Amino acid sequence: DGGITQSPKYLFRKEGQNVTLSCEQNLNHDAMYWYRQDPGQGLRLIYYSQIVNDFQKGDIAEGYSVSREKKESFPLTVTSAQKNPTAFYLCASSIRVQETQYFGPGTRLLVL
Amino acid sequence: GDSVTQMEGPVTLSEEAFLTINCTYTATGYPSLFWYVQYPGEGLQLLLKATKADDKGSNKGFEATYRKETTSFHLEKGSVQVSDSAVYFCALRGAYSGAGSYQLTFGKGTKLSVIP
Repeated sequence: DGGITQSPKYLFRKEGQNVTLSCEQNLNHDAMYWYRQDPGQGLRLIYYSQIVNDFQKGDIAEGYSVSREKKESFPLTVTSAQKNPTAFYLCASSIRVQETQYFGPGTRLLVL
Repeated sequence: GDSVTQMEGPVTLSEEAFLTINCTYTATGYPSLFWYVQYPGEGLQLLLKATKADDKGSNKGFEATYRKETTSFHLEKGSVQVSDSAVYFCALRGAYSGAGSYQLTFGKGTKLSVIP
């Protein structure tokens, strides 16, 4: 089955710790995205990537980092600089940046 | 900048009732419009879309028409089911915004609960 997978489903972070969220797609899409969702809010764009080895900051990139070494993978690292990391994180992909985005199942990050 | 405003929830309906969730937008040019649905604990699923004025998107009994004159994209369904209980997000993809970005802007979501 083609689709987008995110792991883990739940992730716990200790103070001062960096954590990495995984996003993999087998749809052969060039573009990938990371969004953050807070309760009662819409989604906000963290980072996006048009193509391998390229990525751009979105509206709320501070405290986050990404890499795009393979077309299929776009991991997101939540660094210790992100002071309010508790949220639901959603990865998405599209054939190209101007095409319809499809979403993964999400990872819920909680701070211990 | 671009923005999306959708009706505040939660919305509670009885099964087989008619559903309308209002969505209006502000954008320059000619955006594409989307409705996504999020079931509890899950990611977003594309429900329907429309890419130009007067287009009607439809899927699973849901419909929405792209009205440029009123800058609206209201979601409707003639007879809701318990399984339609979810959060619905209206979104737009605006014009090119630089650095290769076609930004997707979301509304805050409307929670729908359908009771038997």
